[in-house]
Amino acid sequence: DAGVIQSPRHEVTEMGQEVTLRCKPISGHDYLFWYRQTMMRGLELLIYFNNNVPIDDSGMPEDRFSAKMPNASFSTLKIQPSEPRDSAVYFCASRPVTGESGELFFGEGSRLTVL
Amino acid sequence: KNQVEQSPQSLIILEGKNCTLQCNYTVSPFSNLRWYKQDTGRGPVSLTIMTFSENTKSNGRYTATLDADTKQSSLHITASQLSDSASYICVVRLNAGNNRKLIWGLGTSLGVNP
Repeated sequence: DAGVIQSPRHEVTEMGQEVTLRCKPISGHDYLFWYRQTMMRGLELLIYFNNNVPIDDSGMPEDRFSAKMPNASFSTLKIQPSEPRDSAVYFCASRPVTGESGELFFGEGSRLTVL
Repeated sequence: KNQVEQSPQSLIILEGKNCTLQCNYTVSPFSNLRWYKQDTGRGPVSLTIMTFSENTKSNGRYTATLDADTKQSSLHITASQLSDSASYICVVRLNAGNNRKLIWGLGTSLGVNP
């Protein structure tokens, strides 16, 4: 398997623009997670899905953030409008339902810079 | 409050030397503790997992220890290599019924110089 695939790897945009990050989880993994990583706060869970259904979105910072998972092989994280404080690395991760130990398999991340 | 604290924040050592990274947690009830390695520009990758009953676990040159009484874990790296330069993140999993939340540390940045 190719692992978790994220795109784009890098995104530079101007304040106020819409940003869409994409993720393809590992085939057969039932859980999908979106994380944000910054130097100051480390890895923060934004939202996670189980079988394409959002389970916990309490980490989504504001209404400007939204996430969807239309099918088992694709998810998006959208920021509209974007702000400079949204600059961070956004990771997508997945794990199988049998992975009760909690190991997550991460993608390479999308580095977002909002000017 | 459930927290995971790691020390030192950063560390630089010479190739071939050993080092030990620390992780202290206040997470309760405890399920397991995992160490991830994150190379620059990459996503974290699991190194090892420690459950309540385990004291020591090795993965090649990496050895993790867990003291559930004092709520401390360490990651010892033996005979360091340049490829060990990375961030090492400790994460503890809750075990509170349906709440299996992961509590992440901020990581230790390790640099190995030739």
